[in-house]
Amino acid sequence: EIVLTQSPGTLSLSPGERATLSCRASQSVSSNYLTWYQQKPGQAPRLLIYGASSRATGIPDRFSGSGSGTDFTLTISRLEPEDFAVYCCQQHGSPPYTFGQGTKLEIK
Amino acid sequence: EVQLVESGGGLVQPGGSLRLSCAASGFTFSSYWMNWVRQAPGKGLEWVANMKPDGSEKYYVDSVKGRFTISRDNAKNSLYLQMNTLRAEDTAVYYCARQNAFDVWGQGTMVTVSS
Repeated sequence: EIVLTQSPGTLSLSPGERATLSCRASQSVSSNYLTWYQQKPGQAPRLLIYGASSRATGIPDRFSGSGSGTDFTLTISRLEPEDFAVYCCQQHGSPPYTFGQGTKLEIK
Repeated sequence: EVQLVESGGGLVQPGGSLRLSCAASGFTFSSYWMNWVRQAPGKGLEWVANMKPDGSEKYYVDSVKGRFTISRDNAKNSLYLQMNTLRAEDTAVYYCARQNAFDVWGQGTMVTVSS
């Protein structure tokens, strides 16, 4: 089983700032199968980034993904008020698919 | 509109059973792998199971193997999760999700296992 470890657990930033979230895998993950989600309280996850770096439909270009192998990054270039939420990475290359524990992005 | 709608959640006693359903609309259901993902209260997401479009392959997380069964009816555009021998640790919101990089999710259905 591939374990995904996200850091930091909580990130406190202000609107307009840049956010950098990390997802580290216990073994190499094919970039094709690394995704990032945003989740707000009481809502289902929302796909942001697939294939490590491709934005999903309707996702603003302030969101970007990068990385390969065991180290992946989600960057939000300039935070908007609606971006404060929990972000989670996932690998779905081979079962069991696994999720990171999440990074909570909170308003400073 | 592409949509997934889960149903069938509720309160069940430990050792009991429950069957969840997921109704798909707005896309060709029979072309996609489909998944169940759960989220315990205040916790992160956990993948539970998935199934190939033709039903010939199924995979489960270890913690539910032998207790949960995923199935689908492509004629009815529906995905199911039969959950037996339920435990307190199965308490969670259960989501179905389309495996196109998990691009479509339902709203979830809550399962509570408690006496």
